[in-house]
Amino acid sequence: SAVISQKPSRDICQRGTSLTIQCQVDSQVTMMFWYRQQPGQSLTLIATANQGSEATYESGFVIDKFPISRPNLTFSTLTVSNMSPEDSSIYLCSVQRGANGYTFGSGTRLTVV
Amino acid sequence: DQQVKQNSPSLSVQEGRISILNCDYTNSMFDYFLWYKKYPAEGPTFLISISSIKDKNEDGRFTVFLNKSAKHLSLHIVPSQPGDSAVYFCAASARGGSNYKLTFGKGTLLTVNP
Repeated sequence: SAVISQKPSRDICQRGTSLTIQCQVDSQVTMMFWYRQQPGQSLTLIATANQGSEATYESGFVIDKFPISRPNLTFSTLTVSNMSPEDSSIYLCSVQRGANGYTFGSGTRLTVV
Repeated sequence: DQQVKQNSPSLSVQEGRISILNCDYTNSMFDYFLWYKKYPAEGPTFLISISSIKDKNEDGRFTVFLNKSAKHLSLHIVPSQPGDSAVYFCAASARGGSNYKLTFGKGTLLTVNP
């Protein structure tokens, strides 16, 4: 199964700034997924990133707030822009794991102050 | 509107006993269900899955049961071990249309006491 390296593991950021989260996969994958888990809530899909095309965003998420890059088949970044305290969450990247389920990165715990 | 619900935020059981975690869903298009386990400071780890054409899937100490008519699934852990203490997420997808999006529940914190 794929191994995902995600960084940073955590960060504390000032409101109004931006943070870029990186995910590196040890094998080539077509789709990469970005999730958010707000405190006490379920994991919510932000967007699906395909290499060579624009990311597909879920309802309630927009590219200006969460720009995504997918320069190749093993790497993706998610930027949380113009942060506010409401953006404090755990952000996770994920790839499809064979025919069953998905493999997740270890997550980025973001606190906006 | 939550399509996947885990109504018990927490569950505590004794080591050696059975743990039963429950999950309900509302979307009849869901045809594939998964359970993930999450330790603090780690990402969710795939545990077990079940297709809607089955009503049971077993993997060692873990068994998932699916009741399609009730739109309900459960994860049984027997016997429970202290290392099973983690947050368990139920997830579902509608794979019939090649849509691999996962919809998650809020999770249940399982504590297994020695």
